[in-house]
Amino acid sequence: DVKVTQSSRYLVKRTGEKVFLECVQDMDHENMFWYRQDPGLGLRLIYFSYDVKMKEKGDIPEGYSVSREKKERFSLILESASTNQTSMYLCASSFLFRQGGGETQYFGPGTRLLVL
Amino acid sequence: AQSVTQLDSHVSVSEGTPVLLRCNYSSSYSPSLFWYVQHPNKGLQLLLKYTSAATLVKGINGFEAEFKKSETSFHLTKPSAHMSDAAEYFCVVKVAGTYKYIFGTGTRLKVLA
Repeated sequence: DVKVTQSSRYLVKRTGEKVFLECVQDMDHENMFWYRQDPGLGLRLIYFSYDVKMKEKGDIPEGYSVSREKKERFSLILESASTNQTSMYLCASSFLFRQGGGETQYFGPGTRLLVL
Repeated sequence: AQSVTQLDSHVSVSEGTPVLLRCNYSSSYSPSLFWYVQHPNKGLQLLLKYTSAATLVKGINGFEAEFKKSETSFHLTKPSAHMSDAAEYFCVVKVAGTYKYIFGTGTRLKVLA
């Protein structure tokens, strides 16, 4: 059974703190993604990685950075947390390419972050 | 440019009646299309996907979707709603040759007893 795990289900942090969200997948996927989900806005891509140490900015990268030192692990870092980063964070992974297309994304359970 | 429109933000049905969740897409190329379900405080779970094989796609939990190129639609249906189907549903299009997945804004399904 495919599995994407996230280090925390719920987090409460103070403004200005450095926050680490970790994601691990066991499917040997090349691609990994970080999204944030907010009511009425759907899912927005923060960062994407297609290989170890490779990353690309998504639609809303400001205030975030990422790290991918191993293929199975993709970390999202909030350098200095702010209240407007209170959100649900979802990690996903997928194969880089599959014959016929349709590379399915598999999602983790999400981390609900509250920044006070 | 690729886009996805979920035509209803909320849908209410009675238990045992059919479900229809509507999705229209815009894509320059032959798209890959997905439906995901999200239960409260959970991640997204794949229901089904279309990848240019059969236009009628069957998924888990009795859901299915039909790809209609002429209507640029990929509506999700289920013949008989169950209370456990109450959740938020997302239609997603993958842009061919890229890593980009375009998400609809979601449809919240409510099932009435």
